[in-house]
Amino acid sequence: AQSVTQLDSQVPVFEEAPVELRCNYSSSVSVYLFWYVQYPNQGLQLLLKYLSGSTLVESINGFEAEFNKSQTSFHLRKPSVHISDTAEYFCAVRLDTGRRALTFGSGTRLQVQP
Amino acid sequence: DAGITQSPRYKITETGRQVTLMCHQTWSHSYMFWYRQDLGHGLRLIYYSAAADITDKGEVSDGYVVSRSKTENFPLTLESATRSQTSVYFCASAQNTEAFFGQGTRLTVV
Repeated sequence: AQSVTQLDSQVPVFEEAPVELRCNYSSSVSVYLFWYVQYPNQGLQLLLKYLSGSTLVESINGFEAEFNKSQTSFHLRKPSVHISDTAEYFCAVRLDTGRRALTFGSGTRLQVQP
Repeated sequence: DAGITQSPRYKITETGRQVTLMCHQTWSHSYMFWYRQDLGHGLRLIYYSAAADITDKGEVSDGYVVSRSKTENFPLTLESATRSQTSVYFCASAQNTEAFFGQGTRLTVV
């Protein structure tokens, strides 16, 4: 079975500073990797995904994540955060074949301060 | 409107009562899921369905039942609600890669 560890439950950061949210996974087989974002009182929205190919994936709002197979990591980064990025971020993994269910990490609360 | 909708958005029920949370999707996705979200645990899978009439238990399925007679609907029933089932419940659907989530149902068991 696969598992996901998000090492930081909360990350406070000042506006326009860079940020990295860490995610490590464990799986004995090939997986797909995802980052989802949750704004208050809302559902989860897909931020970006890694399926195959280039190990660096980007979102439309400036986030990027890099798949590192040797370190089994999929850290999320943004070079300059905005107040509007304040949200809960979840890393998730699923098998690349068969069962489609996602396994989630416990989440990281990103708090952007002015 | 297209998408995935959950109802109700908020529900308060008493211990021991049966309650059903509804989920409807308009994309004809084959796969549907129920998760619960609790502080410190992220989202945990309750039940999973690969198609109509095909369901499978997740990691926290005790006390819950599901049905899927039609592709677009996937109701979740708490047979006899307990306080430990107070949570936010999310329904999701998927076809190929990523899952799409509903807005959630906040359930409080008193």
